[in-house]
Amino acid sequence: ELKVEQNPLFLSMQEGKNYTIYCNYSTTSDRLYWYRQDPGKSLESLFVLLSNGAVKQEGRLMASLDTKARLSTLHITAAVHDLSATYFCAVEDPNSNSGYALNFGKGTSLLVTP
Amino acid sequence: SAVISQKPSRDICQRGTSLTIQCQVDSQVTMMFWYRQQPGQSLTLIATANQGSEATYESGFVIDKFPISRPNLTFSTLTVSNMSPEDSSIYLCRTMDSYNEQFFGPGTRLTVL
Repeated sequence: ELKVEQNPLFLSMQEGKNYTIYCNYSTTSDRLYWYRQDPGKSLESLFVLLSNGAVKQEGRLMASLDTKARLSTLHITAAVHDLSATYFCAVEDPNSNSGYALNFGKGTSLLVTP
Repeated sequence: SAVISQKPSRDICQRGTSLTIQCQVDSQVTMMFWYRQQPGQSLTLIATANQGSEATYESGFVIDKFPISRPNLTFSTLTVSNMSPEDSSIYLCRTMDSYNEQFFGPGTRLTVL
């Protein structure tokens, strides 16, 4: 079974600071996703990473993928309060019955404070 | 991008009853999945809804408890049967089209008393 581990699970950071969330997964996969979830809301897709060395950026968020290390990072630059949310990484499990099932990490609850 | 709706958006139900959740997409999709998110937890895949055939369930989930239908390429239902308070969760539909574009529905928040 493909396992996905995120850390940290909780993160409190000051506005203007930088920080990185890490996502490790246990077996080979072709796709890794990052999502944002606000309280009481559904999931918003942030990034899809498809290949080794892939890097994508949107605003203050940048995601990267190292398939050899089975590691993805989500880097936050100069955090602002609006980034407060829970961030999930999810990895496509090729060995699932459908071949496209997503296995999720436990999520990182981010709080950005003044 | 696909527009996904789920009905109901939320419900409060009595234990022992059943609730059917609908997922409707505005375009044809190849795959539809049902996920559960228990309070404060991550998402867990319940099953893959297959058009015209029985759903494919993940470990720990069975058809008697979570019957699923998918009559066409734009619609699926998930029933939560004989509910208990442990079934209180957000249930989310996820779709994937032939270009591998995938989206989550807005979710159904279920509370079982």
